[in-house]
Amino acid sequence: ILNVEQSPQSLHVQEGDSTNFTCSFPSSNFYALHWYRWETAKSPEALFVMTLNGDEKKKGRISATLNTKEGYSYLYIKGSQPEDSATYLCAPQNRDDKIIFGKGTRLHILP
Amino acid sequence: DAGVIQSPRHEVTEMGQEVTLRCKPISGHDYLFWYRQTMMRGLELLIYFNNNVPIDDSGMPEDRFSAKMPNASFSTLKIQPSEPRDSAVYFCASSLRGAGAYTGELFFGEGSRLTVL
Repeated sequence: ILNVEQSPQSLHVQEGDSTNFTCSFPSSNFYALHWYRWETAKSPEALFVMTLNGDEKKKGRISATLNTKEGYSYLYIKGSQPEDSATYLCAPQNRDDKIIFGKGTRLHILP
Repeated sequence: DAGVIQSPRHEVTEMGQEVTLRCKPISGHDYLFWYRQTMMRGLELLIYFNNNVPIDDSGMPEDRFSAKMPNASFSTLKIQPSEPRDSAVYFCASSLRGAGAYTGELFFGEGSRLTVL
């Protein structure tokens, strides 16, 4: 797996606003797409693992979609709260179960 | 349940010394991954194991790095000799992939912060 790209690198969002960011990955040899949330001074924690094209998953105010044919996934946060401030990492998994991380989108929620 | 346990949490050593980082995965998990985190490169995959067997070590930077998994409940990452550019946080993560189509999320340890002077 090469070239896992996440954009933007950093994002400032007003509390209460909704936001989204992108992960793009090579679509060949694809098996699954992981999203993780990484708070400062902690370890990454899984949000979603998706495998099917068109898959959409939701956890509270956070949701994600997956397009395996074109190789991208979106993460959406509705009504941002201060506790959403974190780095969001995506990681494609190939059919050999190799999991490579993007560099993440750092989200800052402004009060 | 205990999560992934890594030791030491912090290690400061001098250039040329041997460093051994340890990881105990979650009981029953069949995959174990070692990652290195730096500001420049983010989370880099070093090596991963399935059922204690190394599957892909193409991310190991040099021959100075080696990793073993002698049994299902223990893995080590060794750097010998260490260099200042090895300074980073090293994470171990485990997952349950199992058989069939189930895909397991990664569970991370708290990381080992290595400083090589």
